[in-house]
Amino acid sequence: KAGVTQTPRYLIKTRGQQVTLSCSPISGHRSVSWYQQTPGQGLQFLFEYFSETQRNKGNFPGRFSGRQFSNSRSEMNVSTLELGDSALYLCASSLEDRGREKLFFGSGTQLSVL
Amino acid sequence: GNSVTQMEGPVTLSEEAFLTINCTYTATGYPSLFWYVQYPGEGLQLLLKATKADDKGSNKGFEATYRKETTSFHLEKGSVQVSDSAVYFCALSDVNTGNQFYFGTGTSLTVIP
Repeated sequence: KAGVTQTPRYLIKTRGQQVTLSCSPISGHRSVSWYQQTPGQGLQFLFEYFSETQRNKGNFPGRFSGRQFSNSRSEMNVSTLELGDSALYLCASSLEDRGREKLFFGSGTQLSVL
Repeated sequence: GNSVTQMEGPVTLSEEAFLTINCTYTATGYPSLFWYVQYPGEGLQLLLKATKADDKGSNKGFEATYRKETTSFHLEKGSVQVSDSAVYFCALSDVNTGNQFYFGTGTSLTVIP
């Protein structure tokens, strides 16, 4: 069974640009979450989608958005990039949405904003 | 609100030493507790979990007991190996907040031969 796949693996952008990251969950998983990982802050929750609906959103500005498609694949978009957006963005999928099941993480997209 | 506080690193141990990484939590409901491990260049993997008070999670020689009275979930291993070198994250989820997991800041462990 394939794991969680995130593309691209690395991205370099400049301030003001926008970026789209992609995540394909494990087959059969309908919940997809996104986290931002930075050395100082650890993992910060961005948002979670379940069956194409955003169920939870973390404390991030509106420049961060996401969506989920009918096949459960998800994308997140960051507009008007800032230097502080440089981070590892992790996607995680889960069978259900009640927090009792473990998350399966992808290897992440390393975003560098110059 | 929900939050997790874990021991700051980095931690350096000799092979076969005893490991403890402290984790305490604050939760408004009835959380499930998890330890995840991250190896260099990879995403996080579940190490163990416990879903109710007094449960003990265990895997690969690691253990952690859900202590509601002390709101703790400390990770322990009796004899660490070089291959255990990684970053360890304590996390909680609350059924009231769905799949929004709350993570500690991570503890980096290096085991030297």
